[in-house]
Amino acid sequence: GESVGLHLPTLSVQEGDNSIINCAYSNSASDYFIWYKQESGKGPQFIIDIRSNMDKRQGQRVTVLLNKTVKHLSLQIAATQPGDSAVYFCAEIHQGAQKLVFGQGTRLTINP
Amino acid sequence: DAGVTQSPTHLIKTRGQHVTLRCSPISGHKSVSWYQQVLGQGPQFIFQYYEKEERGRGNFPDRFSARQFPNYSSELNVNALLLGDSALYLCASSLVWATEGYTFGSGTRLTVV
Repeated sequence: GESVGLHLPTLSVQEGDNSIINCAYSNSASDYFIWYKQESGKGPQFIIDIRSNMDKRQGQRVTVLLNKTVKHLSLQIAATQPGDSAVYFCAEIHQGAQKLVFGQGTRLTINP
Repeated sequence: DAGVTQSPTHLIKTRGQHVTLRCSPISGHKSVSWYQQVLGQGPQFIFQYYEKEERGRGNFPDRFSARQFPNYSSELNVNALLLGDSALYLCASSLVWATEGYTFGSGTRLTVV
């Protein structure tokens, strides 16, 4: 069946360190993946995306890595800041169904 | 520019009642989708509308319905509310019929008692 899961439900890091959030997906036919950040009381906010024909994409302080062989996705946040505290979701797009399939989420906590 | 706006922000209903949630997409966006987010979980797809037509439907019962108006705003209706319908209901809009470039609203928090 369809599922996008996460390895860890919580992650705690020191301010200034790098954070790595992982995600496993099950549908090898998915061709587009997105990372979202959701702060308390808000809707998901787009962070970065990657297509299945790529294995790495970089943004401002964030990098997404895609390993299609093991169906694994990761989000790396450099020099983590207090404002990075949130729940992070990976989402998979089934183009044929025109919908996002979200994982459960990882809560990132920044320690001062 | 205004983002995706949803109303109301919070709502409390009794079991068996019905509810209507509203969404206004970003100006120029023609596609609206609805998601349900139960506490502690990721959002689940309910509906997608584009140009006033339903383009996709998730695994939700017929108690859930939606529509899109000529101005591209949308309503989500839920009948015969159950306690399990308590959730954050998210609306997302995009420019065209595609999930790329989704922008989410802040959601409506529905509590069924």
